[in-house]
Amino acid sequence: QSVLTQPPSASGTPGQRVTISCSGSSSNIGIKTVNWYQQLPGTAPKVLIYSTNQRPSGVPDRFSGSKSGTSASLAISGLQSEDEADYYCAAWDDSLDAYVFGTGTKVTVL
Amino acid sequence: EVQLVQSGAEVKKPGESLKISCKGSGYSFPNSWIAWVRQMPGKGLEWMGIIYPGDSDTRYSPSFEGQVTISADKSISTAYLQWSSLKASDTAMYYCARHSGLGLSYGMDVWGQGTTVTVSS
Repeated sequence: QSVLTQPPSASGTPGQRVTISCSGSSSNIGIKTVNWYQQLPGTAPKVLIYSTNQRPSGVPDRFSGSKSGTSASLAISGLQSEDEADYYCAAWDDSLDAYVFGTGTKVTVL
Repeated sequence: EVQLVQSGAEVKKPGESLKISCKGSGYSFPNSWIAWVRQMPGKGLEWMGIIYPGDSDTRYSPSFEGQVTISADKSISTAYLQWSSLKASDTAMYYCARHSGLGLSYGMDVWGQGTTVTVSS
């Protein structure tokens, strides 16, 4: 049972903007940095956003992250077919003293 | 190139023991936390725990404490995930991943390719 809640699915047509939410609490997102991972079908996850809004080198600037209070968001602008994947938010949880993942969101490009 | 290479797929029977491995290269293995992450078939990611190979400091998620053992051998840059008695519910893909040098809160920046564990009678 994840402590970070995401919508199970999101979709858009090529070129559209898609936003994925991640709801947490005062023991995780409220006080810690948020990370986002992309998992393409049949592959290992890859870090997409770290430190709430930072992109590792090689990640397109179409991906952006933000946080407000105990919730975070990942936005994908200019959606492309290769963005079809599962996306997970994650953060350290001080109450559990553990790293926790969100429930995951499957993004479909229509 | 920084990489983590995991051991191959395993097929085991309930009650058997198992140890899978994760070998790091291209960076200072003793000085980065290594995490293990479970992904059950068709399900999401679950953080199981971490180890700091430099001093073998180990922490477990409450959900996995007592269920598995995480260890490491820094002399051969390898981390391990071990079960003493497998159950069918341990069937999953298991990933190792390196936690960012910025700190545990900053997530995992390098991932292994995954090891599939199938437990079936």
